[in-house]
Amino acid sequence: GENVEQHPSTLSVQEGDSAVIKCTYSDSASNYFPWYKQELGKRPQLIIDIRSNVGEKKDQRIAVTLNKTAKHFSLHITETQPEDSAVYFCAAAAKAAGNKLTFGGGTRVLVKP
Amino acid sequence: NAGVTQTPKFQVLKTGQSMTLQCAQDMNHNSMYWYRQDPGMGLRLIYYSASEGTTDKGEVPNGYNVSRLNKREFSLRLESAAPSQTSVYFCASSDPLGTYYEKLFFGSGTQLSVL
Repeated sequence: GENVEQHPSTLSVQEGDSAVIKCTYSDSASNYFPWYKQELGKRPQLIIDIRSNVGEKKDQRIAVTLNKTAKHFSLHITETQPEDSAVYFCAAAAKAAGNKLTFGGGTRVLVKP
Repeated sequence: NAGVTQTPKFQVLKTGQSMTLQCAQDMNHNSMYWYRQDPGMGLRLIYYSASEGTTDKGEVPNGYNVSRLNKREFSLRLESAAPSQTSVYFCASSDPLGTYYEKLFFGSGTQLSVL
């Protein structure tokens, strides 16, 4: 089955700096890569996703990049703000696996004012 | 529109006790899921139900059973709780984004401790 590795497990950045989280996946058939954000004590929520026919996608201060050859994808947050402090999860899904998501272990991001 | 509602929010059990976690969604979604969240291990799928009347095992089904009571409700049962089942449990339902991809909507979670 699919295996998703996520790094780093914790990330501390100064407000205004950029944050980058990287994920690798094992199943070359995976074709959908969402990112979920979980604020402290809250439920995870989808913030952005990318599909295998696209190399990069942006939404305001966040962007995702995908390298299918290397089987890795990344989340980039620019001009970080205190409200970006949260745990971020990457995930991968393949049609052959019934499109069920396999999640990475999560990255705890702390934005210091 | 409440989204996904799960109960209880907190529960403490003794080893060997049983309990059922309840989940209901009002978004008319076909698919529903149960995940557990443990530090450093992300969200792991326990069971899912692609439609009313069907259930399938996920990554970590041992020690759990599920019931898809109707389209709205999907319950998770621990028959004989063990300390290894101490975790935060999330119910989710999904909304198709397109041909193959689904966006998950999560409940608020249940923090379960097994002593």
